[in-house]
Amino acid sequence: KQEVTQIPAALSVPEGENLVLNCSFTDSAIYNLQWFRQDPGKGLTSLLLIQSSQREQTSGRLNASLDKSSGRSTLYIAASQPGDSATYLCAVKLTSGTYKYIFGTGTRLKVLA
Amino acid sequence: KAGVTQTPRYLIKTRGQQVTLSCSPISGHRSVSWYQQTPGQGLQFLFEYFSETQRNKGNFPGRFSGRQFSNSRSEMNVSTLELGDSALYLCASRPSRNTEAFFGQGTRLTVV
Repeated sequence: KQEVTQIPAALSVPEGENLVLNCSFTDSAIYNLQWFRQDPGKGLTSLLLIQSSQREQTSGRLNASLDKSSGRSTLYIAASQPGDSATYLCAVKLTSGTYKYIFGTGTRLKVLA
Repeated sequence: KAGVTQTPRYLIKTRGQQVTLSCSPISGHRSVSWYQQTPGQGLQFLFEYFSETQRNKGNFPGRFSGRQFSNSRSEMNVSTLELGDSALYLCASRPSRNTEAFFGQGTRLTVV
C-alpha cells in the first residue's frame, strides 16, 4: 500500500531564506508526482507536475526534484516571501491505471516578515 | 479560462439528511475526481469519473455516491449524513488521465 509522508509537518523561516520541503513515498512504481499549495480554507493550487521519467521541474522560484529509486521528492523554494505561507502537499499517481492521487500529510509553512 | 467551480461553497446540514454537491470542470476536461479533506485523515480519494463512467472508487461507504453528466459536470451525494462527514470536499478536473490535476475551491460541509 502506497504511503506518502511529508517532513517536517510545520516550518517557520524568516523572509528571504531558501528552503526545502520533503516528500517520501513507499512504492517507487509511480506515474507522476504533483506538488500543490493550499491556503487556509481554500482549494489546492497546482505548483509543479513531475512525470516519472523526469528528474526535476522548475517554475519561477520553485524547483521540484524526483528520485523514484529512493522514493523521494523535494520542493525547493528560493528567496521565500510571506506570500509563500501556506500548506504544501505532494501527491503521487500510481501506475496501476487508477486515476487517483495519494496525498501526503502536508507541510505547513510560515514565512516571517 | 474559468477554473473548476464547486457549489455551494458552504453547507450546514443536520444528521440524517442528505446532501448533493456540484462540480463544474474546466472546459474540455473530461476527468473529474472527488476528495474529502479532514484534519485527522488528510485528503482521501472518493471517486473519479471519466466520460460519464466511474473509473475508480475510494474506500468510503455506499452512502457516498456520484455521477457525471454528458457535459462533464459532476455531482456527489451523501445520504444519511453523520457528524464525521463534516469536511472540505474538493473536486479536481483534468483533460485526460495522465495530465495535471486542477482543483476547485471546495465545499465546506458541516453536519450538526
